[in-house]
Amino acid sequence: QQQVKQSPQSLIVQKGGISIINCAYENTAFDYFPWYQQFPGKGPALLIAIRPDVSEKKEGRFTISFNKSAKQFSLHIMDSQPGDSATYFCAASREGGSYIPTFGRGTSLIVHP
Amino acid sequence: DAGVIQSPRHEVTEMGQEVTLRCKPISGHDYLFWYRQTMMRGLELLIYFNNNVPIDDSGMPEDRFSAKMPNASFSTLKIQPSEPRDSAVYFCASSLIAGGDTQYFGPGTRLTVL
Repeated sequence: QQQVKQSPQSLIVQKGGISIINCAYENTAFDYFPWYQQFPGKGPALLIAIRPDVSEKKEGRFTISFNKSAKQFSLHIMDSQPGDSATYFCAASREGGSYIPTFGRGTSLIVHP
Repeated sequence: DAGVIQSPRHEVTEMGQEVTLRCKPISGHDYLFWYRQTMMRGLELLIYFNNNVPIDDSGMPEDRFSAKMPNASFSTLKIQPSEPRDSAVYFCASSLIAGGDTQYFGPGTRLTVL
């Protein structure tokens, strides 16, 4: 079964702190690893994504770290802000064929002011 | 583009009634996905279409659920008869390709079955 395991289920961080969410996958055929951000009452939206040819990708305060050998990837939110409070989903898929995205269970992040 | 459009945004119905959720994908996207989100089970894939053809409906929980895509710009998810355990937020998403690219989600339909 193509699973993506995400942890923690919930996370509380103080403003200015670092938020870290981890995901692990099983299928080595996956080659696209996005993170989606979902605010209350909204649908998930792409936040940042990485392909396995690089070990890290940074966009502003958001960084994905990728460890191909361990089949793990993580999202780091630096200088976390109350506006980052949302649910975060990791996913894994493969371009082409029928490897539709497999989503993690989600992490509810609360950033206290 | 207006993005993925879903209607209604909220639906409250009584047990046993028929519920129809609607979705308009982004123009040009060949793939359409229906998801259900609950606190207990997270984001579950129900069914997805490629060029209007259902590809995998193994996530549809029961025969009470059915989905159609009569053309490239419209899809429906129907629950008949509805039950309280169907209460959830239902999302439609579309993408250009099956995997390896962004999925664009609609705003969702919050369904409450009393």
